[in-house]
Amino acid sequence: AQSVSQHNHHVILSEAASLELGCNYSYGGTVNLFWYVQYPGQHLQLLLKYFSGDPLVKGIKGFEAEFIKSKFSFNLRKPSVQWSDTAEYFCAVNGHSGNTPLVFGKGTRLSVIA
Amino acid sequence: EAGVAQSPRYKIIEKRQSVAFWCNPISGHATLYWYQQILGQGPKLLIQFQNNGVVDDSQLPKDRFSAERLKGVDSTLKIQPAKLEDSAVYLCASSYIGRRFTEAFFGQGTRLTVV
Repeated sequence: AQSVSQHNHHVILSEAASLELGCNYSYGGTVNLFWYVQYPGQHLQLLLKYFSGDPLVKGIKGFEAEFIKSKFSFNLRKPSVQWSDTAEYFCAVNGHSGNTPLVFGKGTRLSVIA
Repeated sequence: EAGVAQSPRYKIIEKRQSVAFWCNPISGHATLYWYQQILGQGPKLLIQFQNNGVVDDSQLPKDRFSAERLKGVDSTLKIQPAKLEDSAVYLCASSYIGRRFTEAFFGQGTRLTVV
Protein backbone atom coordinates (compact mmCIF):
# COMPACT_ATOMS: atom_id res chain seq x y z
CA ALA A 1 0.00 0.00 0.00
CA GLN A 2 1.11 3.54 -0.63
CA SER A 3 2.28 5.35 2.47
CA VAL A 4 4.43 8.20 3.71
CA SER A 5 6.25 8.24 7.04
CA GLN A 6 7.40 11.40 8.72
CA HIS A 7 9.72 10.60 11.57
CA ASN A 8 9.26 13.64 13.74
CA HIS A 9 5.92 14.64 15.18
CA HIS A 10 7.04 17.90 16.78
CA VAL A 11 10.36 19.67 16.37
CA ILE A 12 11.40 22.66 18.45
CA LEU A 13 14.34 24.75 17.27
CA SER A 14 15.90 28.04 18.14
CA GLU A 15 16.18 30.71 15.47
CA ALA A 16 19.20 30.24 13.19
CA ALA A 17 19.37 26.51 13.92
CA SER A 18 19.51 24.11 11.02
CA LEU A 19 16.50 22.00 10.14
CA GLU A 20 16.10 18.54 8.70
CA LEU A 21 12.72 16.81 8.59
CA GLY A 22 12.66 13.19 7.58
CA CYS A 23 10.29 11.65 5.04
CA ASN A 24 10.21 8.09 3.74
CA TYR A 25 7.68 6.72 1.30
CA SER A 26 6.38 3.41 0.08
CA TYR A 27 4.90 3.57 -3.40
CA GLY A 28 5.04 1.24 -6.36
CA GLY A 29 6.58 2.73 -9.46
CA THR A 30 8.06 6.09 -10.27
CA VAL A 31 6.92 8.89 -8.01
CA ASN A 32 6.50 12.61 -7.68
CA LEU A 33 7.42 13.98 -4.27
CA PHE A 34 6.21 17.09 -2.50
CA TRP A 35 6.57 19.08 0.67
CA TYR A 36 3.59 21.19 1.66
CA VAL A 37 3.54 23.72 4.49
CA GLN A 38 0.59 24.93 6.53
CA TYR A 39 1.14 28.14 8.47
CA PRO A 40 -1.21 28.77 11.40
CA GLY A 41 -4.66 29.63 10.14
CA GLN A 42 -3.72 29.24 6.48
CA HIS A 43 -4.24 26.66 3.78
CA LEU A 44 -1.75 24.07 2.61
CA GLN A 45 0.84 25.57 0.29
CA LEU A 46 3.42 23.91 -1.89
CA LEU A 47 6.95 24.34 -0.58
CA LEU A 48 8.77 22.34 -3.22
CA LYS A 49 8.37 19.36 -5.53
CA TYR A 50 10.45 16.72 -7.26
CA PHE A 51 9.47 15.08 -10.53
CA SER A 52 12.73 14.03 -12.14
CA GLY A 53 16.28 15.17 -12.81
CA ASP A 54 18.49 16.74 -10.16
CA PRO A 55 17.61 14.99 -6.89
CA LEU A 56 18.35 18.16 -4.93
CA VAL A 57 15.42 20.52 -5.33
CA LYS A 58 15.12 24.03 -4.04
CA GLY A 59 11.87 25.56 -2.93
CA ILE A 60 10.59 28.79 -1.57
CA LYS A 61 11.90 30.56 1.52
CA GLY A 62 15.30 28.86 1.45
CA PHE A 63 14.02 25.30 1.80
CA GLU A 64 15.50 22.40 -0.12
CA ALA A 65 14.95 18.66 -0.25
CA GLU A 66 16.99 15.73 -1.47
CA PHE A 67 15.51 12.68 -3.15
CA ILE A 68 17.49 9.54 -2.36
CA LYS A 69 15.92 6.80 -4.43
CA SER A 70 17.82 3.95 -2.76
CA LYS A 71 16.50 5.02 0.62
CA PHE A 72 12.99 5.96 -0.54
CA SER A 73 13.56 9.26 1.21
CA PHE A 74 12.85 12.92 0.53
CA ASN A 75 14.13 14.87 3.51
CA LEU A 76 13.49 18.58 3.90
CA ARG A 77 16.28 20.92 4.96
CA LYS A 78 16.90 24.54 5.77
CA PRO A 79 20.27 25.83 6.96
CA SER A 80 18.92 28.53 9.26
CA VAL A 81 15.31 28.66 10.43
CA GLN A 82 13.38 31.79 11.31
CA TRP A 83 10.51 32.36 13.70
CA SER A 84 8.23 32.72 10.65
CA ASP A 85 8.96 29.10 9.69
CA THR A 86 6.76 27.94 12.56
CA ALA A 87 4.21 25.76 10.80
CA GLU A 88 3.13 22.20 10.04
CA TYR A 89 5.06 20.45 7.28
CA PHE A 90 3.65 17.59 5.23
CA CYS A 91 5.48 15.26 2.91
CA ALA A 92 3.39 13.80 0.07
CA VAL A 93 3.79 11.44 -2.86
CA ASN A 94 1.85 10.49 -5.96
CA GLY A 95 2.41 8.39 -9.02
CA HIS A 96 4.56 9.81 -11.77
CA SER A 97 2.13 8.89 -14.51
CA GLY A 98 -1.53 9.58 -14.59
CA ASN A 99 -3.57 11.79 -12.36
CA THR A 100 -3.17 9.96 -9.07
CA PRO A 101 -4.06 11.64 -5.78
CA LEU A 102 -1.49 12.75 -3.24
CA VAL A 103 -0.77 10.48 -0.28
CA PHE A 104 0.31 12.48 2.76
CA GLY A 105 2.38 11.78 5.81
CA LYS A 106 1.09 12.67 9.27
CA GLY A 107 2.97 15.93 9.31
CA THR A 108 5.68 17.48 11.48
CA ARG A 109 4.93 20.48 13.61
CA LEU A 110 7.87 22.89 13.68
CA SER A 111 8.09 25.45 16.45
CA VAL A 112 10.85 28.04 16.16
CA ILE A 113 11.63 29.96 19.31
CA ALA A 114 13.55 33.19 19.64
CA GLU B 1 -5.57 33.81 -9.97
CA ALA B 2 -8.36 32.98 -7.53
CA GLY B 3 -7.68 30.03 -5.28
CA VAL B 4 -9.84 27.10 -4.25
CA ALA B 5 -12.90 28.40 -2.44
CA GLN B 6 -14.59 26.48 0.34
CA SER B 7 -17.54 27.20 2.58
CA PRO B 8 -18.39 27.31 5.34
CA ARG B 9 -15.12 27.78 7.23
CA TYR B 10 -16.52 26.35 10.45
CA LYS B 11 -19.47 24.16 11.33
CA ILE B 12 -20.68 22.73 14.61
CA ILE B 13 -23.42 20.12 14.54
CA GLU B 14 -24.84 17.48 16.81
CA LYS B 15 -24.28 13.82 16.09
CA ARG B 16 -26.82 12.28 13.78
CA GLN B 17 -27.42 15.62 12.04
CA SER B 18 -26.48 16.18 8.42
CA VAL B 19 -24.03 18.70 7.00
CA ALA B 20 -22.84 19.79 3.58
CA PHE B 21 -19.65 21.44 2.42
CA TRP B 22 -19.12 23.31 -0.82
CA CYS B 23 -16.02 23.72 -2.95
CA ASN B 24 -15.26 25.76 -6.04
CA PRO B 25 -11.95 24.78 -7.64
CA ILE B 26 -9.57 26.97 -9.57
CA SER B 27 -10.98 27.78 -12.97
CA GLY B 28 -9.89 25.27 -15.59
CA HIS B 29 -8.89 22.58 -13.12
CA ALA B 30 -10.53 19.36 -14.20
CA THR B 31 -9.52 17.34 -11.16
CA LEU B 32 -11.07 17.93 -7.75
CA TYR B 33 -10.26 16.14 -4.50
CA TRP B 34 -11.87 16.01 -1.08
CA TYR B 35 -9.56 15.17 1.81
CA GLN B 36 -10.32 14.60 5.48
CA GLN B 37 -7.73 15.81 7.99
CA ILE B 38 -8.22 14.59 11.53
CA LEU B 39 -6.32 16.48 14.23
CA GLY B 40 -2.73 15.29 14.42
CA GLN B 41 -2.85 13.44 11.11
CA GLY B 42 -2.15 14.19 7.49
CA PRO B 43 -4.90 14.69 4.92
CA LYS B 44 -6.59 11.47 3.80
CA LEU B 45 -8.25 11.26 0.40
CA LEU B 46 -12.00 10.75 0.46
CA ILE B 47 -12.84 11.12 -3.22
CA GLN B 48 -11.30 12.30 -6.49
CA PHE B 49 -13.28 13.64 -9.43
CA GLN B 50 -12.12 14.22 -12.96
CA ASN B 51 -14.60 16.60 -14.56
CA ASN B 52 -17.93 15.22 -13.32
CA GLY B 53 -16.81 11.59 -13.05
CA VAL B 54 -15.52 9.79 -9.97
CA VAL B 55 -11.95 8.53 -10.31
CA ASP B 56 -11.40 7.17 -6.82
CA ASP B 57 -13.85 6.91 -3.93
CA SER B 58 -12.40 3.79 -2.33
CA GLN B 59 -11.88 5.52 1.03
CA LEU B 60 -15.22 7.31 1.16
CA PRO B 61 -17.52 5.87 3.87
CA LYS B 62 -20.42 5.53 1.51
CA ASP B 63 -22.94 4.64 4.18
CA ARG B 64 -22.84 8.23 5.43
CA PHE B 65 -20.72 10.30 3.06
CA SER B 66 -21.68 11.37 -0.44
CA ALA B 67 -20.18 13.79 -2.92
CA GLU B 68 -21.14 15.16 -6.28
CA ARG B 69 -19.75 17.37 -8.98
CA LEU B 70 -22.67 17.56 -11.33
CA LYS B 71 -21.44 20.10 -13.87
CA GLY B 72 -17.77 19.33 -13.56
CA VAL B 73 -17.03 22.55 -11.74
CA ASP B 74 -18.01 23.03 -8.10
CA SER B 75 -18.62 20.15 -5.73
CA THR B 76 -20.57 19.32 -2.59
CA LEU B 77 -19.59 16.84 0.11
CA LYS B 78 -22.34 15.66 2.45
CA ILE B 79 -22.34 13.72 5.68
CA GLN B 80 -25.60 12.15 6.86
CA PRO B 81 -25.81 11.23 9.68
CA ALA B 82 -22.71 12.65 11.30
CA LYS B 83 -20.76 10.80 13.98
CA LEU B 84 -18.40 12.15 16.61
CA GLU B 85 -15.42 10.70 14.75
CA ASP B 86 -16.26 12.83 11.72
CA SER B 87 -14.88 15.87 13.53
CA ALA B 88 -12.08 17.00 11.25
CA VAL B 89 -11.05 19.57 8.70
CA TYR B 90 -12.41 18.83 5.25
CA LEU B 91 -10.09 20.03 2.53
CA CYS B 92 -10.88 20.55 -1.10
CA ALA B 93 -8.10 20.63 -3.67
CA SER B 94 -7.88 20.91 -7.42
CA SER B 95 -5.31 20.27 -10.09
CA TYR B 96 -4.87 20.91 -13.77
CA ILE B 97 -4.66 18.03 -16.19
CA GLY B 98 -2.01 18.76 -18.72
CA ARG B 99 0.65 16.46 -20.05
CA ARG B 100 1.39 15.55 -16.45
CA PHE B 101 0.39 16.31 -12.91
CA THR B 102 2.05 19.42 -11.53
CA GLU B 103 0.61 20.12 -8.10
CA ALA B 104 -2.63 20.24 -6.15
CA PHE B 105 -3.92 23.55 -4.85
CA PHE B 106 -5.78 23.49 -1.57
CA GLY B 107 -8.61 25.53 -0.11
CA GLN B 108 -8.63 26.72 3.48
CA GLY B 109 -10.85 23.87 4.55
CA THR B 110 -14.00 23.51 6.60
CA ARG B 111 -13.50 22.67 10.26
CA LEU B 112 -16.32 20.39 11.38
CA THR B 113 -17.03 19.74 15.04
CA VAL B 114 -19.58 17.06 15.88
CA VAL B 115 -20.87 17.22 19.45
